[in-house]
Amino acid sequence: EVQLVESGGGLVQPGGPLRLSCAASGLTLGIYWMTWVRQAPGKGLEWVASINQGGSEKYYVDSVKGRFTISRDNSKDSLYLQMNSLRAEDAAVYYCARFYVSSGPQDAFDIWGQGTVVTVSS
Amino acid sequence: DIQLTQSPSFLSASVGDRVTITCRASQGTSSYLAWYQQKPGKAPKLLIYAASTLQSGVPSRFSGSGSGTEFTLTISSLQPEDFATYYCQQLKTYPITFGQGTRLEIK
Repeated sequence: EVQLVESGGGLVQPGGPLRLSCAASGLTLGIYWMTWVRQAPGKGLEWVASINQGGSEKYYVDSVKGRFTISRDNSKDSLYLQMNSLRAEDAAVYYCARFYVSSGPQDAFDIWGQGTVVTVSS
Repeated sequence: DIQLTQSPSFLSASVGDRVTITCRASQGTSSYLAWYQQKPGKAPKLLIYAASTLQSGVPSRFSGSGSGTEFTLTISSLQPEDFATYYCQQLKTYPITFGQGTRLEIK
């Protein structure tokens, strides 16, 4: 069964760091783009960051640039999101997802994890 | 950034109804448009990609159409399990953006 499992969420103080992980099973993570999406309580979906297969291309939403870093370890079939200088507005459920990237318009986030909750509070 | 506006934001309908959700983009996205379904406490699920291609395993009562700046998601005959929130998403350019969501509830 293909599965993505996030971990690392929790309660962190404003200004603090947190590292999220996403472990893949049933698929070889290294041949796919991957992405993080978040959802604040009661709000809609917000794309956070994406990374290509080798880690040489990374894209971020403006609100996290300079604070968050997406990375991957293909030997461990794992994706990461290092979050620094956390703010109250970063509190959300964070999902990792496989980002299917094609040569045409067939791109989509086709496999999602169950999410991990990040709470930012003093 | 490409802004996506869904309408309506809230929809009340009955089992068996045909419903249509519209997604309008502030700039052309060609066919780089996907639709997702999300139920409370669950991860989103991909329904449609490339504006009109049904994801494997998704029931045929779901369909998508459109290109450029106006897109629609249609559910031909609502089933009890379809009551959820639906999001459109553009993948034409970064930042990737989502619509604000359409909450579909039972009348």
